Amino acid sequence: AQSVSQHNHHVILSEAASLELGCNYSYGGTVNLFWYVQYPGQHLQLLLKYFSGDPLVKGIKGFEAEFIKSKFSFNLRKPSVQWSDTAEYFCAVNGDFNKFYFGSGTKLNVKP
Amino acid sequence: EAGVAQSPRYKIIEKRQSVAFWCNPISGHATLYWYQQILGQGPKLLIQFQNNGVVDDSQLPKDRFSAERLKGVDSTLKIQPAKLEDSAVYLCASRRSATSGTANTGELFFGEGSRLTVL
Repeated sequence: AQSVSQHNHHVILSEAASLELGCNYSYGGTVNLFWYVQYPGQHLQLLLKYFSGDPLVKGIKGFEAEFIKSKFSFNLRKPSVQWSDTAEYFCAVNGDFNKFYFGSGTKLNVKP
Repeated sequence: EAGVAQSPRYKIIEKRQSVAFWCNPISGHATLYWYQQILGQGPKLLIQFQNNGVVDDSQLPKDRFSAERLKGVDSTLKIQPAKLEDSAVYLCASRRSATSGTANTGELFFGEGSRLTVL
């Protein structure tokens, strides 16, 4: 069975600080990997996705993530966060049969 | 394009009552998912449809939850009778089908969710 672990449950940063959120998954086959964001009061939206090719993928709003196959990881990064990045971030794995599994989420608070 | 529509947005019921949630996916999306998101947790898959067939309902508490997608378009999730632990946001998501012969690399599109409070 597939599973996703997000080890940082709550992160507090000041504006302009760098961000890295961890995501590890367990699945032996080919996977598609996703990061979703949920801004306060809004629905889940796609930040970025990886399905093949360059393991460093860039998404919206300056976010990027790196797929490291040997570590089963797909960490999310942003060099300089803004107050508007305050949200909850979810990592997701898609393996067999259109199934998607989500991590428990990381709440990011950016202090102005 | 129109997004995933869900209703109602909020529902408050007492335990042992019943409730139904409705979802209309993005037009043409063959795969439809219902997720349960309890406060502080990530979305947990309840049931997955491909057109009007069930692909996976292994985590659906079938003694109280039921779902259908009769015409392969919109879907209804029902809880009867509700328990206190069913308080959660119920998320509907849809995904486009892959082009024949290719892997599906599409993402899920989510609705706003239906927040259920069971008292």
